Amino acid sequence: GENVEQHPSTLSVQEGDSAVIKCTYSDSASNYFPWYKQELGKGPQLIIDIRSNVGEKKDQRIAVTLNKTAKHFSLHITETQPEDSAVYFCAASRGQGGKLIFGQGTELSVKP
Amino acid sequence: SAVISQKPSRDICQRGTSLTIQCQVDSQVTMMFWYRQQPGQSLTLIATANQGSEATYESGFVIDKFPISRPNLTFSTLTVSNMSPEDSSIYLCSVGQEKPQHFGDGTRLSIL
Repeated sequence: GENVEQHPSTLSVQEGDSAVIKCTYSDSASNYFPWYKQELGKGPQLIIDIRSNVGEKKDQRIAVTLNKTAKHFSLHITETQPEDSAVYFCAASRGQGGKLIFGQGTELSVKP
Repeated sequence: SAVISQKPSRDICQRGTSLTIQCQVDSQVTMMFWYRQQPGQSLTLIATANQGSEATYESGFVIDKFPISRPNLTFSTLTVSNMSPEDSSIYLCSVGQEKPQHFGDGTRLSIL
């Protein structure tokens, strides 16, 4: 069935360093890939998304890349700050408003 | 993006009882989704709720255990029936209609 694998499960970086989180998906019909940030006690917050007709998208310190052939997509956070510490989830779906299949999550810790 | 409010934000319940969770959106949306997030885990879709039709449940979730109502385009409820400790989770609603899905802050449910 549909599956999204996310790595690593935990990631610790020094403030100012870059962080990269990677996901692979199994459903070749997936064409929409959002990333969510979840802080303690809160619901997931959408931080960036990408459609399958685009290879890369950037928003300030955050970027997402997509390799449709390999069914891989990655989140890149540059110049990390302590407030970036949270759990990050990737997801995939067959359309922007459809059912989301989530990865397992990555707990990012940014040390000052 | 839509503002999503869930009630209650948290509850502690006795096993064997049922709890109804409410989800209110500040704009009309066709599709609403209910997810479960078990402690320290990722999000799993329970069902999709469209106004005017029966909810569509994912594999592993049944209507008798998780009945859903969708009386109008801004409101939905999820009931967790005959609860057991295994039902202790965060229950989240989200909305998406040809737009990225956005989540409420969830209902944190503990069953004793």
